[in-house]
Amino acid sequence: SQTIHQWPATLVQPVGSPLSLECTVEGTSNPNLYWYRQAAGRGLQLLFYSVGIGQISSEVPQNLSASRPQDRQFILSSKKLLLSDSGFYLCAWSPTDRDQPQHFGDGTRLSIL
Amino acid sequence: AQSVTQLGSHVSVSEGALVLLRCNYSSSVPPYLFWYVQYPNQGLQLLLKYTSAATLVKGINGFEAEFKKSETSFHLTKPSAHMSDAAEYFCAVSESGGFKTIFGAGTRLFVKA
Repeated sequence: SQTIHQWPATLVQPVGSPLSLECTVEGTSNPNLYWYRQAAGRGLQLLFYSVGIGQISSEVPQNLSASRPQDRQFILSSKKLLLSDSGFYLCAWSPTDRDQPQHFGDGTRLSIL
Repeated sequence: AQSVTQLGSHVSVSEGALVLLRCNYSSSVPPYLFWYVQYPNQGLQLLLKYTSAATLVKGINGFEAEFKKSETSFHLTKPSAHMSDAAEYFCAVSESGGFKTIFGAGTRLFVKA
């Protein structure tokens, strides 16, 4: 069966520091991969998605970036964090076929001080 | 373009009472619809999905949803609420022919003893 791993579970970072969140999927090939952010009391905001290695689509211009160095690995990065980057970050995957449900990791709670 | 609207950001029911969470969608083509549940500090979990096979869809944890094309609705119900059902629920529609999922703003369900 397919599983998705996301880490770390919680992270506290100072303003201006770099960020790297990692997500890996097991048990499937060529998944679609997604990064979402959930701010407190708000819905899901799609940040990036990828349909293949090296293919990244950005939904919201900001100081975050994403990379997909391997088929089942998706990384969310920032060179300098802002206070507004605080939130709950979720990674998700879906099968290659269109119109399929997404499956989510357990999330990373990021607090910026 | 597809969209979903969840009516009511908060719903409160008594334990044992009917749960009804409302969702209306907008789509120019037959939609693929989903309901997800999110417990505190966790990722989203798929409850059920509608893919045009049957209008009444049964999901996990005793939930079900009925697709009504004439009303463009996909409301989520459960006959008898349990304390463990307290969570946030998201209705979602798949981007037609695409890889993205459009999520509603979410409805937080409270269950009173």
